[in-house]
Amino acid sequence: GNSVTQMEGPVTLSEEAFLTINCTYTATGYPSLFWYVQYPGEGLQLLLKATKADDKGSNKGFEATYRKETTSFHLEKGSVQVSDSAVYFCALSDAGGTSYGKLTFGQGTILTVHP
Amino acid sequence: SQTIHQWPATLVQPVGSPLSLECTVEGTSNPNLYWYRQAAGRGLQLLFYSVGIGQISSEVPQNLSASRPQDRQFILSSKKLLLSDSGFYLCAWSQQTGTEAFFGQGTRLTVV
Repeated sequence: GNSVTQMEGPVTLSEEAFLTINCTYTATGYPSLFWYVQYPGEGLQLLLKATKADDKGSNKGFEATYRKETTSFHLEKGSVQVSDSAVYFCALSDAGGTSYGKLTFGQGTILTVHP
Repeated sequence: SQTIHQWPATLVQPVGSPLSLECTVEGTSNPNLYWYRQAAGRGLQLLFYSVGIGQISSEVPQNLSASRPQDRQFILSSKKLLLSDSGFYLCAWSQQTGTEAFFGQGTRLTVV
């Protein structure tokens, strides 16, 4: 079956530091890949996505590249802000006809950014 | 634009009491609908999904059930809550042919 493994953390950084959160996956076929962000007490927001190999998703300064050869989708940001403090989830959606858009999530990574 | 509403935001219920959580989607038709649970430890587990009215698929055996009485309405229920049902419940939707899912704000359920 499908699975997603991501860096558990917690990750603590100073403002303006470089961020990397690792994510690797196991899936049959050609899944779509996502990063979601969850702020305290809230639901999940889609941060970025990539639907095929070598696609780069980007949003709000965050980037991730779909690497089929290494089955990875690492999240990066060049300069984090205090407002980026949240939990980040890597996820995949199988492209198969019976997947119905079901998502498989990693365990989440808590990011705390200090001023 | 599409929106998803989920309520209530928080709920404290005694063991053995019933449960009903409701979720509605606006601005789209015939969406796929999902209920996820996020227990302590942050991981998300898919509980139920639905691809149409009256069509419910369960992903894990449990004390909960789901129903979809209307195209854009999805309800999570229990006849008798257990302590282990405590958690953060998230409703989500996606397009029939799309890939990403969009989430509601969640319901924090505490069973006491």
